[in-house]
Amino acid sequence: QVQLVESGGGLVMPGGSLRLSCAASGFTFSDYNMNWIRQAPGKGLDWVSFIGGSGTTKKYADSVKGRFTISRDNARNSLFLQMNSLRAEDTAVYYCAREHVVVPAAIDFWGQGNLVTVSS
Amino acid sequence: QSVLTQPPSVSGAPGQRVTISCTGSSSNIGAGFDVHWYQQLPGTAPKLLIFGSNNRPSGVPDRFSGSKSGTSASLAITGLQAEDEADYYCQSYDSSLSVYVFGPGTKVTVL
Repeated sequence: QVQLVESGGGLVMPGGSLRLSCAASGFTFSDYNMNWIRQAPGKGLDWVSFIGGSGTTKKYADSVKGRFTISRDNARNSLFLQMNSLRAEDTAVYYCAREHVVVPAAIDFWGQGNLVTVSS
Repeated sequence: QSVLTQPPSVSGAPGQRVTISCTGSSSNIGAGFDVHWYQQLPGTAPKLLIFGSNNRPSGVPDRFSGSKSGTSASLAITGLQAEDEADYYCQSYDSSLSVYVFGPGTKVTVL
């Protein structure tokens, strides 16, 4: 069955860095576009970044552009999010999210989420 | 300020029908981009409920339905059940911002 398992979250000081990972299984990873979507405590969903199946096309929300970098390793069925210059407002649960293979933007499978806390 | 707007909350008695609106603009829903809906039960990850404005993934009960008209979309829940108590989010693509956008979410309460 489809599984997306995130790791790498935790507590970091403002200005610090973290690298989130997402291990995918149960489907042909390279066939799917992937996204990172976050949710601040008690708040709604906030799209962060997109990467195409081949890894060539990447998009970012303005709020993270220049600070976050999305990447993937199709040989290892893994998705990554390198987060630098972290701010308090980046505190959130980060979801690894698979995009529907046919319908753009529809997120048909979500990981369990990984909490990132930016605080001194 | 969200690009898509939703009512903060809706409520209904068991068995009733409730609807959740999602209002956008000419750069997202009004431009013809699909609307997708997600259900988030407390403490869990979101789950795709409706995609392509009115399609249900397998396993989603037909009590849930979606529609779209102009710059707005709606999610309807008929035969409301206690297990439907959750937060519901709409989502689309905005061509002006070139990003995926979510509505702020609507909390459904079963009375």
